[in-house]
Amino acid sequence: GENVEQHPSTLSVQEGDSAVIKCTYSDSASNYFPWYKQELGKRPQLIIDIRSNVGEKKDQRIAVTLNKTAKHFSLHITETQPEDSAVYFCAASRAGANNLFFGTGTRLTVIP
Amino acid sequence: KAGVTQTPRYLIKTRGQQVTLSCSPISGHRSVSWYQQTPGQGLQFLFEYFSETQRNKGNFPGRFSGRQFSNSRSEMNVSTLELGDSALYLCASSPPRGPADTQYFGPGTRLTVL
Repeated sequence: GENVEQHPSTLSVQEGDSAVIKCTYSDSASNYFPWYKQELGKRPQLIIDIRSNVGEKKDQRIAVTLNKTAKHFSLHITETQPEDSAVYFCAASRAGANNLFFGTGTRLTVIP
Repeated sequence: KAGVTQTPRYLIKTRGQQVTLSCSPISGHRSVSWYQQTPGQGLQFLFEYFSETQRNKGNFPGRFSGRQFSNSRSEMNVSTLELGDSALYLCASSPPRGPADTQYFGPGTRLTVL
């Protein structure tokens, strides 16, 4: 089955700096890669996703890049704000399978 | 549109008991997936239902089961509870058109097994 690895497990940045979280996956058939943000005691919220026919996708301060050859994808958050502090999860699946394989999460702390 | 809802939000059970959790998807969504979240194992896929049929199943023992009703509401059942079943159980629904794999999560049911 699919195995998703995520690094780092914790990340602290100063407000205004950029944060980068990286994930690798093992199943070459995976072609859907979402990122979720989970605040303490809250549900995971989809913040951005990318499909294998696209190499990069951007939404305001958030961007995701995908390298299918190397089987890795990354989340980039620019101009970080304290409200970006949360746990971020990457995931991978085959399109339409609706069974996400999650990374172990990255706890991001943005220091004011 | 109302989001995914789950009931109950909190449950306390003892070992050996069984439990049923409920999930109501976003109106119009027909696919419901279930996940278990624990500090040690992270987020793990349990199973997925679409039009009352289980389409995918994760690597969990047979004590974990589920079903889906004609209105797309889903339930999951855990029999003979073990201490290790203590977790946050999340369900997610997916839209019927467009990117069918985009999943929206409910708030979860926090199950504590004593």
